[in-house]
Amino acid sequence: DGGITQSPKYLFRKEGQNVTLSCEQNLNHDAMYWYRQDPGQGLRLIYYSQIVNDFQKGDIAEGYSVSREKKESFPLTVTSAQKNPTAFYLCASLPGAMNTEAFFGQGTRLTVV
Amino acid sequence: ILNVEQSPQSLHVQEGDSTNFTCSFPSSNFYALHWYRWETAKSPEALFVMTLNGDEKKKGRISATLNTKEGYSYLYIKGSQPEDSATYLCAFSPMDSNYQLIWGAGTKLIIKP
Repeated sequence: DGGITQSPKYLFRKEGQNVTLSCEQNLNHDAMYWYRQDPGQGLRLIYYSQIVNDFQKGDIAEGYSVSREKKESFPLTVTSAQKNPTAFYLCASLPGAMNTEAFFGQGTRLTVV
Repeated sequence: ILNVEQSPQSLHVQEGDSTNFTCSFPSSNFYALHWYRWETAKSPEALFVMTLNGDEKKKGRISATLNTKEGYSYLYIKGSQPEDSATYLCAFSPMDSNYQLIWGAGTKLIIKP
């Protein structure tokens, strides 16, 4: 079955550590996105990529980094520079234009301990 | 700053009753409006992607309307069932961005048996 897989589902990070969240899709979609959700807020865009080897900052990119070496994969690294990383992270993909529906992973809940 | 508002924030509805909620978005620079259903422990799933003013879309007991001139969309659920319990998200895509989806904070719907 085609879809998006995020891992891990839960992740605990110590202060000062970098952690990487995985996002893999087999939908052959060009565009991939990382969102962050905090309680009571809408999804906020961290990074997006419209094509392999290219990605752009979203609204809240500080303290995060990404790569897009393969069409299927768009990992997100939460660095120690991210001061408040505890949140729910969602990965999404779209086949192309914004008049098509987005597909989502099940999310990763990151907690700083 | 582009903003998407959803109301109400949460809603309790008796099983069998019909209900509706609102998504408000900027009326200028419109490209597309998305609706998603997000059930607990699952990925958000697309309900509708709407692009034309006056458009109405239907999927089973759920329907949506779109007014791009005044900047709002309604989602209707007829004869609510327990499986309709979820958070309903809307997202606005502006014309001058080929990547952006701006998300509302969602309406949490709880169906009481």
